[in-house]
Amino acid sequence: SQQGEEDPQALSIQEGENATMNCSYKTSINNLQWYRQNSGRGLVHLILIRSNEREKHSGRLRVTLDTSKKSSSLLITASRAADTASYFCARRTGGTSYGKLTFGQGTILTVHP
Amino acid sequence: GAGVSQSPSNKVTEKGKDVELRCDPISGHTALYWYRQSLGQGLEFLIYFQGNSAPDKSGLPSDRFSAERTGGSVSTLTIQRTQQEDSAVYLCASSLAGLAPNEQFFGPGTRLTVL
Repeated sequence: SQQGEEDPQALSIQEGENATMNCSYKTSINNLQWYRQNSGRGLVHLILIRSNEREKHSGRLRVTLDTSKKSSSLLITASRAADTASYFCARRTGGTSYGKLTFGQGTILTVHP
Repeated sequence: GAGVSQSPSNKVTEKGKDVELRCDPISGHTALYWYRQSLGQGLEFLIYFQGNSAPDKSGLPSDRFSAERTGGSVSTLTIQRTQQEDSAVYLCASSLAGLAPNEQFFGPGTRLTVL
């Protein structure tokens, strides 16, 4: 599938621990984005990393991108119960024409208080 | 409103009926996208609008699905002769422009159940 893979499919941790989610893809990308989804409804944009960037930080989030391995990871440090959600990576593929996103299957994160 | 809104939030219909799903993007956003999220299928791209035109309809699963956008704002996704496999959450997103890099802002979705 051109959507690639995310792992793990599910992750269960205790509050205060770090959570790492990985995303692999098959086609070249313009940028890669991470989204969070609560309760199976609307998605919230977390962070965007361009194909020429290797690492990006936003608060407790750290995203890395390795284009040679076609993979990205999202690290959430000092997790909180409120971080419980599904996390998706989304690749923007294609040329400069428009920003169609191709999503992975997602990682379900559960943070226990 | 500040965000993308969608209506209805939930829709239950009988197999064979037509349904219309509405999306109000963020004001000033020229790009609008429809996605579908089904159990076990993840998020699938359906169609993209730039202004009122749809340069990419490649994700529409069949000719029962159509969408339009008027005035560069509101979009309607229509599903004719609904089937049970159409049951899913339909998500709409908008962004300032279609060009990269772009952050897409998602609406809360419409949960469609076809009985």
